[in-house]
Amino acid sequence: DIQMTQSPSSLSASVGDRVTITCRASQGIRNDLGWYQQKPGKAPKRLIYGASSLQSGVPSRFSGSGSGTEFTLTISSLQPEDFATYYCLQHNSYPITFGQGTRLEIK
Amino acid sequence: QVQLQESGPGLVKPSQTLSLTCTVSGGSISTGGYYWSWIRQHPGKGLEYIGYIYYSGSTYYNPSLKSRVTISIDTSKNQFSLKLSSVTAADTAVYYCARGLDIGGPWGQGTLVTVSS
Repeated sequence: DIQMTQSPSSLSASVGDRVTITCRASQGIRNDLGWYQQKPGKAPKRLIYGASSLQSGVPSRFSGSGSGTEFTLTISSLQPEDFATYYCLQHNSYPITFGQGTRLEIK
Repeated sequence: QVQLQESGPGLVKPSQTLSLTCTVSGGSISTGGYYWSWIRQHPGKGLEYIGYIYYSGSTYYNPSLKSRVTISIDTSKNQFSLKLSSVTAADTAVYYCARGLDIGGPWGQGTLVTVSS
């Protein structure tokens, strides 16, 4: 299985901050990576697909980059509704695997 | 727009079989070339991929669960289902159904299944 290592596991930030979350794959996955946001009691929602393409309806403050083994999700200016847990997912090789999550908390 | 909804018992006894159904509304389960997946999330933990089914009936199961998992599809009812046999407390989780080989969505809201006597 491809291991997805996400960092940091938790992060405290303030409204307006720029935040970056990293996901590293144990082997190359091209750009077969998505980023998801999950709020308590809700299903994950995809923000980014293909490593860098913004899902329809997702605010442009979210962006993704990377290819191969290293990927980043950046939120350019944190809004109150962005405090949630974020996961990366690789679908290059089965089984699909997720990062362990990054919990983004209000400072 | 397409919506997914999980249903099934919220409590299952150890050693029994967990059975869940995902009902797809707003579109046909057998058109569009979509794959239909199951994912689970242990309480307070991360996400685990269980497997998928295509409308033709072809399936993939995560090797970690393969010996206990069956995913089936009923195109006449626009539903697909998950069966997980010989459950233990370690199978207590929120179970989600979702559309897409890349799990792009939509997702169902999730249903908590507790394994306990």
